[in-house]
Order: sequence, then structure tokens, then C-alpha cells
Amino acid sequence: DTAVSQTPKYLVTQMGNDKSIKCEQNLGHDTMYWYKQDSKKFLKIMFSYNNKELIINETVPNRFSPKSPDKAHLNLHINSLELGDSAVYFCASSQDLEVRHFGPGTRLTVT
Amino acid sequence: GESVGLHLPTLSVQEGDNSIINCAYSNSASDYFIWYKQESGKGPQFIIDIRSNMDKRQGQRVTVLLNKTVKHLSLQIAATQPGDSAVYFCAETQGFQKLVFGTGTRLLVSP
Repeated sequence: DTAVSQTPKYLVTQMGNDKSIKCEQNLGHDTMYWYKQDSKKFLKIMFSYNNKELIINETVPNRFSPKSPDKAHLNLHINSLELGDSAVYFCASSQDLEVRHFGPGTRLTVT
Repeated sequence: GESVGLHLPTLSVQEGDNSIINCAYSNSASDYFIWYKQESGKGPQFIIDIRSNMDKRQGQRVTVLLNKTVKHLSLQIAATQPGDSAVYFCAETQGFQKLVFGTGTRLLVSP
């Protein structure tokens, strides 16, 4: 009974490819997020969705497109992958806009 | 053992010691703060939170102290155990739904 799950856990792909990461939460939360963690462990918000509506869109290249088919799912699609996109991507959810419950992460490696 | 802000990213302690992890936050308007623990290969996990109308909050073996005058947050872990080894992040709320993370401190506990 995982609270926030992501697939895949590891993703290795070549530059220029398009890939997607999926996220699901079974906590009944209204808000979901995508965070990026770089090699120095710095965690930065990318997107936030509240009830399927985009709330936060940080200065992320438009190659990144989040999609929320329902409030339990928030997927991240990345076009034309670049070397600098290599990172760990975390999905998270929250009910009260404060405590985030994080998924296990997806380690993306672009070669 | 005690870390000093973000200039000492690794804190090494002996099992049984008390640990103090410090964090300097940036926004004087931030009103909610969270400490997260991230173990290797996992997502950040909530430890404890505190609101700006408090200066201390205790949990099980952990205490968070907030000094708004100098914009300083600390996490104290009593009787540190090897299982406490992880990277610890402080996070502050900045505006609607935006939780900003600090750069993290790695805690190493040796038996």
C-alpha cells in the first residue's frame, strides 16, 4: 500500500529522445508536485497541480510538460532530452499544501 | 556534534551522541518550516514541522528550534543511532504552495 509511487525507478536514455515518468498517489490528496534533485542533492520544485489544475510552473524548459489526468495522477513528459536533464525526479503530494509526501524517485540518466 | 549552517555539509557523530543540524533560511515572511530526512536511494521523508508562531517543537527523539530574529532553524536528534544516517533538509514555505528546500546536511553516525 505505497502512498506515492513512481515508474520507472531508473530510466537511461539517449539525448534527443522523449520519455515519460508516471506518478500515482493513493492518499486522496488534492495537490501533486514534481521536484528535481541534482547531483548535489539540491531539491527544486518544478510543477504543482491542485485538483488537476496547474498552480506552480517554475522556470522549467517547455520541453517538460506535466499532465494530470485525475487528481491521483501526475505524469511528467520530457521531449528532446538533454544531458543536463540527468537527475532524480521526485513526485510528491499533499493535502494541506504544507507537508509533502514524496515518492521513491526516478533516476534519469541521459547519455 | 554541531554543524554550522550550510558551510559544513557533513556532520559525523558517534552513536549515542546528540546531533544538531543547523539551517539558515532566507525569507523573513516564511511562516512554516519542515525538516525532511532522505536516506540513500529514497525520497525525502517528513520528520517534524514548526510554525512561525512557535520557537520549539518536540517529537520522538527530535526537537526543532526556530529563531526568527536571525532566521535560523535547527534540528536536534537525541541519542543518535546508525539508522539516523541520511541527508537532512530544512524547507520553508515561500508564497502559496511553494516549499523551498535548503541544500541539505549529511549526517554520518558511526557505531
